[in-house]
Amino acid sequence: KAGVTQTPRYLIKTRGQQVTLSCSPISGHRSVSWYQQTPGQGLQFLFEYFSETQRNKGNFPGRFSGRQFSNSRSEMNVSTLELGDSALYLCASSLYIDSYNEQFFGPGTRLTVL
Amino acid sequence: DAKTTQPNSMESNEEEPVHLPCNHSTISGTDYIHWYRQLPSQGPEYVIHGLTSNVNNRMASLAIAEDRKSSTLILHRATLRDAAVYYCILYDNQGGKLIFGQGTELSVKP
Repeated sequence: KAGVTQTPRYLIKTRGQQVTLSCSPISGHRSVSWYQQTPGQGLQFLFEYFSETQRNKGNFPGRFSGRQFSNSRSEMNVSTLELGDSALYLCASSLYIDSYNEQFFGPGTRLTVL
Repeated sequence: DAKTTQPNSMESNEEEPVHLPCNHSTISGTDYIHWYRQLPSQGPEYVIHGLTSNVNNRMASLAIAEDRKSSTLILHRATLRDAAVYYCILYDNQGGKLIFGQGTELSVKP
């Protein structure tokens, strides 16, 4: 079974631009979560989608948004990029949205904002 | 969100057991205890989880205190491949939201 895939793997943008990252979950998984990882803040939860609906949201500004499609694939968008948005963005999928299902993480997208 | 406390780093020798502690004194009755690890340059990887009873799987064992305020991840025979950052996480019953702490960086010496 193929794992979680994220595209692109690496991205370089400049301040003020916007970016869209994509995540394809494991086949059959309906929940997709997004996390940001930086050296200073560690891993932080961004948001979680289940059946095309956002179910949980972390403490990030409105510049960070996402969506999920009917095939469970998900995208996240960051508008008006800031230097501090440079990070590894990780996507994770799970079968359902509950606390006893493990999450499977993708390799991440490394975003650099210049 | 309930928080966990872990040592910043630990060292182990190859082929010896490793006990990684985690304190979670504010755990609620419905929080599951999850452990993930992150190898260098990779996304986190699920290790094990439990609610009240001790749990075993092919990767590790999880020992949960009777009052559930602490737990210990046990790697029975550490290998060089086990060198990673280990995260102890309380996963609330709303689902979908893993709250990561700073984790414990485990180094394994040959």
